[in-house]
Parts: sequence; structure tokens; C-alpha cells
Amino acid sequence: DIQLTQSPSSLSASVGDRVTITCQASHDIGNRLNWYQQKPGRAPKLLIYDASYLEAGVPSRFSGSGSGTHLTLIISSLEAEDFAVYYCQQYENLPWTFGQGTRVEIK
Amino acid sequence: QVQLAESGGGVVQPGRSLRISCAATGFTFKNYGMHWVRQTPGKGLAWVAAITSDGSVMYYEDSVKGRFTTSRDNSKNTLTLQMNSLRPDDTAVYYCVKGERAVLTAIFDSWGQGTLVTVSS
Repeated sequence: DIQLTQSPSSLSASVGDRVTITCQASHDIGNRLNWYQQKPGRAPKLLIYDASYLEAGVPSRFSGSGSGTHLTLIISSLEAEDFAVYYCQQYENLPWTFGQGTRVEIK
Repeated sequence: QVQLAESGGGVVQPGRSLRISCAATGFTFKNYGMHWVRQTPGKGLAWVAAITSDGSVMYYEDSVKGRFTTSRDNSKNTLTLQMNSLRPDDTAVYYCVKGERAVLTAIFDSWGQGTLVTVSS
């Protein structure tokens, strides 16, 4: 199975901060990576697919980059509604796997 | 808009069976691969099973293979997960998830609200 390791596991940030979350894959996954946001008590929501494509309706402050084994989610200017847990997910190989999540908290 | 509504969760004893369902509305159900993803506090998110748009091919995560079966009824826009020989580590919130493309391009673009399955004696 392909392991995805997210870093950091949690972070504290302020509104307006630039936030970077990385996803390290145990094998080359090309660009077959998606990013999701989950708020408490809610289902995950797709933010980025194919590593760098913004899902419809998602604010442009979210962006994704990278390929291979090192991929990144960036929030260019954090807003109050962005405090949540973020997950990466690969679909290069079955079984499709998720990272352990990164919790973004208010500083 | 896309809506996925799971039902059928509950408390079940180890070794017993449970069937959960998902009613899909707001899109042409028969055109999309569908998935089940579960979430536990300790182990996070985990993909469980997938089924092609026509229901002819299914994929399963190893720990549920031989115990879980997913199926769909495209005439009723319904997805089902039959879970047999349940174990305590199957305890989770189960999400019904729509795939954005063909099932092997696993981009999970819409999620239901989830149904809680608790396996406990």
C-alpha cells in the first residue's frame, strides 16, 4: 500500500497567514493526489484534484502543487472559515489511501 | 445539487451482519462510479469499497474482502453495502461517496453525511 505522511500533523495560525501543508508519498504517485477539507461534524469536502486543479466553487486562496512523492497544499491567506482538518488522498494504486490529516487551529 | 443520504447504521454485535444504504439524487447516478469510505477517530479516513457505474466490477480494501459486498440499483439510484462477520475494528462512520470520473480515477467529489456503525457486544 502507498503510505501518505502529512506534515505538520497540526499547526496554529492566524487569519491572514500563509499556510503550507505537505504530503509525502512512499512511492511515486505522479499527480494522482487530491486534497480534502473537513470541519467538525461534517463530511470531507474536495478542494484540489489531480494535485493542482481547484474544484469548482473552492476559493482561489487554495492551491496545490508538486508531483511524484512530494506534494503541497497552500492556503495563501488564511480566513476564519479555513480552520479545519486537511487530508491528502492518492489514487495511483489500489487501495486508495489517505494521509493522517493536518489540523489547522486558531493561534 | 448532488445529495447522498446514508441510512441503516446502528449497533451490532461482533460476528453479525448489517446493511447500509445510500440514496442518491441530483445527478445521473448510472453514469458514475461510487465508493464507500469510513472514518474512525483513531485511524482517520479509509477507503473501503468501490463499484463501477454499471455495477459490473467491485473493488475492496483487503481487510473487508470476503466480508463486505457493495452493490447498486441504477433503476432506484441506490447504493448498498452489505457487511457480514462484523468486527469491533469495523466501528466507524461510513460515507457514501460519488466519484468524479470512472471508478479507478478515485476523485471523491461528493460525500453523504455518513452513518455510524458500532460493533460491540
